[in-house]
Amino acid sequence: AQKITQTQPGMFVQEKEAVTLDCTYDTSDQSYGLFWYKQPSSGEMIFLIYQGSYDEQNATEGRYSLNFQKARKSANLVISASQLGDSAMYFCAMREGAGGTSYGKLTFGQGTILTVHP
Amino acid sequence: GAVVSQHPSWVICKSGTSVKIECRSLDFQATTMFWYRQFPKQSLMLMATSNEGSKATYEQGVEKDKFLINHASLTLSTLTVTSAHPEDSSFYICSARVGGSGNTIYFGEGSWLTVV
Repeated sequence: AQKITQTQPGMFVQEKEAVTLDCTYDTSDQSYGLFWYKQPSSGEMIFLIYQGSYDEQNATEGRYSLNFQKARKSANLVISASQLGDSAMYFCAMREGAGGTSYGKLTFGQGTILTVHP
Repeated sequence: GAVVSQHPSWVICKSGTSVKIECRSLDFQATTMFWYRQFPKQSLMLMATSNEGSKATYEQGVEKDKFLINHASLTLSTLTVTSAHPEDSSFYICSARVGGSGNTIYFGEGSWLTVV
């Protein structure tokens, strides 16, 4: 079964508008972390935002916010005031567990290609 | 600046040869590094977990004799693709966890491998 599901292969948004990228996850761990990364065509993975499973408040980083709904196992990314430079692939990822030698490995969703129109 | 440096950024090699990709942590020690592979327009798939001073842990379906991983120091892990074939052409990217933190994970710039 998919551990991380991104159901939107592609999304379009008008410049300066807000957009929500969906992510649902599945885990039996109590301790886990959720990440969002941006991947432009160059390939680099740019960290955007992190939400820990025990964090009670939704994470925010500048124009990025994470709508964390633990009971629904969803961690949607909200980008406010979209810019042309936001056009890229976006990945949701999960880190499970709280330690061990493989602590830090991530499971990624399928990704969403975001296109920002002028 | 980058805290995880990966080299080379892109490489073209002939079928049957081997190619080495380096992943270095800058300004921090990384006891654990991770290697992922990504085919065009697809997700990142974990290949293996690289632990300093011990054998790498490979994910199911990844050939450990083909993808050799060495983590000889606290700042360097290498991935060697042995006897490369065109189907090994892909984007390879590493990541490193900073200390005990579970939310500070840095990625290298990635390496594009083309086997001709």
